[in-house]
Amino acid sequence: AQTVTQSQPEMSVQEAETVTLSCTYDTSESDYYLFWYKQPPSRQMILVIRQEAYKQQNATENRFSVNFQKAAKSFSLKISDSQLGDAAMYFCAYRGANAGGTSYGKLTFGQGTILTVHP
Amino acid sequence: DGGITQSPKYLFRKEGQNVTLSCEQNLNHDAMYWYRQDPGQGLRLIYYSQIVNDFQKGDIAEGYSVSREKKESFPLTVTSAQKNPTAFYLCASTLWGGNSPLHFGNGTRLTVT
Repeated sequence: AQTVTQSQPEMSVQEAETVTLSCTYDTSESDYYLFWYKQPPSRQMILVIRQEAYKQQNATENRFSVNFQKAAKSFSLKISDSQLGDAAMYFCAYRGANAGGTSYGKLTFGQGTILTVHP
Repeated sequence: DGGITQSPKYLFRKEGQNVTLSCEQNLNHDAMYWYRQDPGQGLRLIYYSQIVNDFQKGDIAEGYSVSREKKESFPLTVTSAQKNPTAFYLCASTLWGGNSPLHFGNGTRLTVT
C-alpha cells in the first residue's frame, strides 16, 4: 500500500519569509498524482497545488511551488512571502494514475503539518 | 454555485445508536468519498464510490456502511459496531481518474457519548 509521510508535525515562519514543508511517499507505481491541501481553522479542505508524476517541471501557483524529486519520492511545498492567512494545517496527498492499480482513484493523505505564521 | 453539502455540521448521539451523515453534491462528479479525521491526524479513507450502486471499502471501513442510490448522494451510517465514532467526517467528490482534485464538503463533527 502507498504511504505518505510528513515528518514535520509543526512549522513556523515569520510573515513575508519563506518556508518549506516536507513530504515523502512510498509507492511502486510509476504514474501518479501528488497534491498539497490546506486546512485552515474553518476545517475546509482547500487545494493548494498538484503535480503529475510524468511531468519533470515543478508546479507553481503564485506564492506556492513544489520541489518534486521522483527518484527520491519527495514532494516538498515552498511558500514564499508568507502571509497570516497561510496559517493552517497542510496535507500532502498521493493518488495512483494507473487504472486497475490499488491506489487508482483513491487519495492517501499524510499526517499533516501545522504551519504558524508570526506577524 | 456547485458544491458539496454535508449536514448537519454538529451531531450528537448516545452510544449504541446508529447515525447517518448526509452528503450531497451538485458537481456532477462520478466519484464520492468519506474520510475520517481525528485530532492532529491526517484523513483516513472509510469508503468510496466510483459509480451509482457501487462502492468499495477504504482503510477503516469497519463499523461503517454506505449507499449510493443516486449520483448526487452518498450517505454514511456510523453503526454501533464502530468502537470510536467520535471524530470529524469529511465527504468529497471528484471526476473518476485523472488529476482532478477532490472537492470537499465542510464536514460533520460527530460526538458520541
